[in-house]
Amino acid sequence: NAGVTQTPKFRILKIGQSMTLQCTQDMNHNYMYWYRQDPGMGLKLIYYSVGAGITDKGEVPNGYNVSRSTTEDFPLRLELAAPSQTSVYFCASKIRDREAFFGQGTRLTVV
Amino acid sequence: AQTVTQSQPEMSVQEAETVTLSCTYDTSESDYYLFWYKQPPSRQMILVIRQEAYKQQNATENRFSVNFQKAAKSFSLKISDSQLGDAAMYFCAYRRVMDSNYQLIWGAGTKLIIKP
Repeated sequence: NAGVTQTPKFRILKIGQSMTLQCTQDMNHNYMYWYRQDPGMGLKLIYYSVGAGITDKGEVPNGYNVSRSTTEDFPLRLELAAPSQTSVYFCASKIRDREAFFGQGTRLTVV
Repeated sequence: AQTVTQSQPEMSVQEAETVTLSCTYDTSESDYYLFWYKQPPSRQMILVIRQEAYKQQNATENRFSVNFQKAAKSFSLKISDSQLGDAAMYFCAYRRVMDSNYQLIWGAGTKLIIKP
């Protein structure tokens, strides 16, 4: 049971480039989340999904897009990377009122 | 809006001793959950302990226990018999029971250093 898998683990982007952070879970969880973690700060919610085909904005959605075509996958898209998007990104999934399972994070640097 | 505050950016403790990490929160809700998560250098977020606000009894998990003071909106984590493997960032988090999307509100974290 792999849990929540995020790829890549590290990435350096140039300003203006685009990329997709991948997140896959094999636990058949309907709820999935994308967070960003800035140094010295707690996690901030970017987007979340309550099931395939349904997504919604979190606290800090600007500059990001998501899709949820399947229960397993919840990719996060950065269209025009900016230095302010340098952060560690976490994907998480859960089912109803149970604990959330987190991926190991993606460290993104925009230069 | 709900907020979670961890006022200790860093704490250190001698191995085998006890340490307490502080967390306060602000909410107008009466039903909610509180969590402590551990984030070791591997970056994985690991649930340490969970407390339901309607329960007066403090949650415990082996060497980890909480002191939940609902009126004071305080939720501290006590780690007994500290071990080197406890070194990590610890995050306090809050969630409303009535939030159908199960969103968590996070504190800024406390870095725990264990001295051998």
